[in-house]
Amino acid sequence: DIQMTQTPSSMPASLGERVTISCRASQGINNYLNWYQQKPDGTIKPLIFYTSSLQSGVPARFSGSGSGTDYSLTISSLEPEDFAMYYCQQYDSSPLTFGSGTKLEIK
Amino acid sequence: QIQLVQSGPELKKPGESVKISCKASGYTFTNYGMYWVKQSPGQGLWYMGWINTETGRPTYADDFKGRFVFFLDTSASTAYLQINNLKNEDMGTYFCARDGFVYWGQGTLVTVSS
Repeated sequence: DIQMTQTPSSMPASLGERVTISCRASQGINNYLNWYQQKPDGTIKPLIFYTSSLQSGVPARFSGSGSGTDYSLTISSLEPEDFAMYYCQQYDSSPLTFGSGTKLEIK
Repeated sequence: QIQLVQSGPELKKPGESVKISCKASGYTFTNYGMYWVKQSPGQGLWYMGWINTETGRPTYADDFKGRFVFFLDTSASTAYLQINNLKNEDMGTYFCARDGFVYWGQGTLVTVSS
C-alpha cells in the first residue's frame, strides 16, 4: 500500500497568511493526488484533483503542486472559512490512501 | 443537481448489524461506481472499497473484508453498506462518494455501545 505522510498535523495561522500543507507518498503516484477540506460539521469538500486542477467553485486562493512523491496545497491568503481540516489522497493505485490530515487553526 | 444523501445516525449494540444507505440523484446511477470511506472518531479517512454500480460487484479493502457488505438497489439509485457483527472499533462516520470523489454523502454516524 502507498503511505501518505501529511505535514504538519496542525498549523496555527492568521487571517491573510499564506500557508502550505505537504504530502509525501511512499512511492511515486504520477500526480494522482486529490486534496479535500473537511469542516467541523463533517462535510467533505473536494478542492483539487490531479495535483493542481481546481474543482469547480473553489476559490483561486487555493492551489496545488507537486510531482513524483512530493505534493503540496497552498492557500495564498487565509479567509475565515478556510480554518478546517485538510486531507490529501492518492488514487494512483489501490487501495486508495489518505494523508492523516492537517488541522488549520486560527492563531 | 447531483446529490448523495445518506441515512441518519445509528446506535447499535456489539454483535448487531447496521445498514447505511446512500441515495443518489441528479445523474445516471449506474454510470459511476460508489465508494465507501470510514472516519473513526477524531481520526482520518480510510478507504473501505467500492461497488461497481453497473455490475453490482463489490471490491473491499483488506481491513474491510468479512463483516462489511456493499450492495445496491439500482431501481432506487441507492447504495448500501451493511456491517455485520458490530464491534466497538466500527464506531465512526461512514461516507459514500461517487467515483471521482467530487460528490460525497454527508456521512452517517454509527455508535456502538452496550
